[in-house]
Amino acid sequence: DVKVTQSSRYLVKRTGEKVFLECVQDMDHENMFWYRQDPGLGLRLIYFSYDVKMKEKGDIPEGYSVSREKKERFSLILESASTNQTSMYLCASTGGSMNTEAFFGQGTRLTVV
Amino acid sequence: LAKTTQPISMDSYEGQEVNITCSHNNIATNDYITWYQQFPSQGPRFIIQGYKTKVTNEVASLFIPADRKSSTLSLPRVSLSDTAVYYCLVGADTSGGSYIPTFGRGTSLIVHP
Repeated sequence: DVKVTQSSRYLVKRTGEKVFLECVQDMDHENMFWYRQDPGLGLRLIYFSYDVKMKEKGDIPEGYSVSREKKERFSLILESASTNQTSMYLCASTGGSMNTEAFFGQGTRLTVV
Repeated sequence: LAKTTQPISMDSYEGQEVNITCSHNNIATNDYITWYQQFPSQGPRFIIQGYKTKVTNEVASLFIPADRKSSTLSLPRVSLSDTAVYYCLVGADTSGGSYIPTFGRGTSLIVHP
């Protein structure tokens, strides 16, 4: 069974902390994505990566960075967490350019206090 | 990027057939139409994908008229467990030739006993 695994289901962090959200996929997919989801706003793309060490900004990259040192792992980094980054964070992966089915992790609900 | 429009919410009752229509007037020739389902506190899950006419699987049917400017997801005989948000995706932004799933706000379906 294919799987995208996010390291935490729930996190509580303090304002100003550096936060790491980890995502691992076991499908040898080239493409990985980080979204955040807030009530009434759907899923918004933060960053994506189409290859190791490659990254592209999505629609709302401000306050975030990413790292992809290995094909299976894509990390989202909140450099200095703020309360407006309290959200559900979702990681996804897809295969090559002709493969359009996205597989999602269970999500990480981050609360910044 | 083809913009999609779908109802914000729908209500139904157990045992009824539910049809959710998505409009995508500027769909491109190469675009596929993909639907996802999302339960609370989970990541979206792929349901069905089509290019034209009708596609059916064990979960749903997808009807696409000849002009492809809209599509209808059909859920036969819904149950309470079909209560979820349903997203219609068409085409993608591409970077490096990779498909980027782009989500709108979706349709919140509530199934009543």
